[in-house]
Amino acid sequence: AQSVTQLDSHVSVSEGTPVLLRCNYSSSYSPSLFWYVQHPNKGLQLLLKYTSAATLVKGINGFEAEFKKSETSFHLTKPSAHMSDAAEYFCVVSDQGGTYKYIFGTGTRLKVLA
Amino acid sequence: IAGITQAPTSQILAAGRRMTLRCTQDMRHNAMYWYRQDLGLGLRLIHYSNTAGTTGKGEVPDGYSVSRANTDDFPLTLASAVPSQTSVYFCASSEKLGAVIAFFGQGTRLTVV
Repeated sequence: AQSVTQLDSHVSVSEGTPVLLRCNYSSSYSPSLFWYVQHPNKGLQLLLKYTSAATLVKGINGFEAEFKKSETSFHLTKPSAHMSDAAEYFCVVSDQGGTYKYIFGTGTRLKVLA
Repeated sequence: IAGITQAPTSQILAAGRRMTLRCTQDMRHNAMYWYRQDLGLGLRLIHYSNTAGTTGKGEVPDGYSVSRANTDDFPLTLASAVPSQTSVYFCASSEKLGAVIAFFGQGTRLTVV
């Protein structure tokens, strides 16, 4: 069975400092992993995806994530936070074992302080 | 502008009433999905459709039905709404079942009282 755990429900950073949003997953198969961002009162938008190619994945808006199989992690990072990064972020796993279902984490709300 | 359109954006509904949430996409995607988002639970799949004319049950299908008469539209119906169906509902699409979902619709906030 698949599952995904976002380790922090809220993260606060100062503008210009690094962002780290943590995600651990469990999957019986080779997983596909995604990060989505949801700004207030908006739908979700794909930030980046890992689908068994390069383990370091670069996404939009300067975000990147590293797939670490030994640690079953897929943490999202950004070197320097911007006020516009304030949003909710969801880590998602979808196994490649023939199913199509996305399993969502419970979300991490990122607050960026001026 | 290509994308997914949901309607209404919000609704307050009396318990026991019937309600249809609308979703339309103009990307000619084969697969469409309905999710509900609840605080602390992330998004959960209600129903999906592989292609026009076919639908399937997701993780939380009870109390909901869907239809897929054509490629573009994927309405979600609550036959007799209950308060536990108070949620934010998101529609999404992908080129085919299992392909990456790039965007979700803006959501419908439904309150059942």
